[in-house]
Amino acid sequence: GENVEQHPSTLSVQEGDSAVIKCTYSDSASNYFPWYKQELGKRPQLIIDIRSNVGEKKDQRIAVTLNKTAKHFSLHITETQPEDSAVYFCAASMKGYSTLTFGKGTMLLVSP
Amino acid sequence: EAQVTQNPRYLITVTGKKLTVTCSQNMNHEYMSWYRQDPGLGLRQIYYSMNVEVTDKGDVPEGYKVSRKEKRNFPLILESPSPNQTSLYFCASSPTGASGNTIYFGEGSWLTVV
Repeated sequence: GENVEQHPSTLSVQEGDSAVIKCTYSDSASNYFPWYKQELGKRPQLIIDIRSNVGEKKDQRIAVTLNKTAKHFSLHITETQPEDSAVYFCAASMKGYSTLTFGKGTMLLVSP
Repeated sequence: EAQVTQNPRYLITVTGKKLTVTCSQNMNHEYMSWYRQDPGLGLRQIYYSMNVEVTDKGDVPEGYKVSRKEKRNFPLILESPSPNQTSLYFCASSPTGASGNTIYFGEGSWLTVV
């Protein structure tokens, strides 16, 4: 089955800095890569996703890049704010499959 | 309001006492799933269902049962809970499967087995 590795497990940045979280996946057939944000005590929520037919996707201060050859994808957050503090999960799935394999999560702390 | 509702939100129980965590969604989604979240291990899928009467094992199904008799409901059953099932449980749903669709999570159920 699919295996998703996520790094780092914790990340501390100053407000205004950029943050990058990286994930690698094992199955070259995977073609859907979402990112979920989980604030303290709350449920995970989708913040951005990318499919294997594109290399980059942006939504305001967040962006995701995908390198299919190397089987890795990354989440980039620019101009971080304290409200970006949360646990971020990457995930991978294959078209037509019913499972979404999550990474172990990255705790992002943005200090004012 | 579109939502996934699970109950109870918090439960402390004793080893071996059967319990059920209910899950209901009002979005007419075909796909429903249960995850458990443990520190350092992320979200791991327990069971999922593609539609009524169709269920399949995820990555960590041991010690759990599910049923999908109605489209909106997907209860998680622990027949004989053990302390290693102490965890935060999330029910989730999406329109037609995990790939390419937003997955909507419930608020979570904190379960402690003593």
